[in-house]
Amino acid sequence: SAVISQKPSRDICQRGTSLTIQCQVDSQVTMMFWYRQQPGQSLTLIATANQGSEATYESGFVIDKFPISRPNLTFSTLTVSNMSPEDSSIYLCSVEVSGGNTEAFFGQGTRLTVV
Amino acid sequence: QKEVEQNSGPLSVPEGAIASLNCTYSDRVSQSFFWYRQYSGKSPELIMSIYSNGDKEDGRFTAQLNKASQYVSLLIRDSQPSDSATYLCAVKRYSSASKIIFGSGTRLSIRP
Repeated sequence: SAVISQKPSRDICQRGTSLTIQCQVDSQVTMMFWYRQQPGQSLTLIATANQGSEATYESGFVIDKFPISRPNLTFSTLTVSNMSPEDSSIYLCSVEVSGGNTEAFFGQGTRLTVV
Repeated sequence: QKEVEQNSGPLSVPEGAIASLNCTYSDRVSQSFFWYRQYSGKSPELIMSIYSNGDKEDGRFTAQLNKASQYVSLLIRDSQPSDSATYLCAVKRYSSASKIIFGSGTRLSIRP
């Protein structure tokens, strides 16, 4: 497995502002993903963070709203832009470990509340 | 049809009994299957992975996979109150995207 550090763990933000969430892994990983989990719901994949290139977004998610960076094999950021109360959710970083059995492991998540 | 379907529950099981959680998936090219446990307010934790037809046992947990029926299940023997959580079924297919799709989760409650 891998040790995944995600921060901040929680935040309360004003509508119209942006928040950047960081995900740091203790080893190089092949794949990094960002998920959203709305209250009482399951996980929805936002995008795959690609090292050195633009992220691959899922249907319903766009780069202008959720810009993602992945400058190297151990670090990624997700920004939630121009926030509204509907963005209140838990955001989760997930990784697949290089040479592993393709299982995905999760960071502890960021609980975002937009007021 | 959802890609991964689970009964949302809640599923209530007496302590010491067997809890049976079920999941179906729609994409026949799926190749990897996972069960995650999620406690309230926490992130998902991988508890089982299975890749081939049949049973896979790990302690009190047994995962069962039937690719012909597109069905995967999780059995928890000797259920404990600490097993009370939401269990997420997840499926991965090998494509250029290589992404994991999650079901909506089954809430399990173990009653003393």
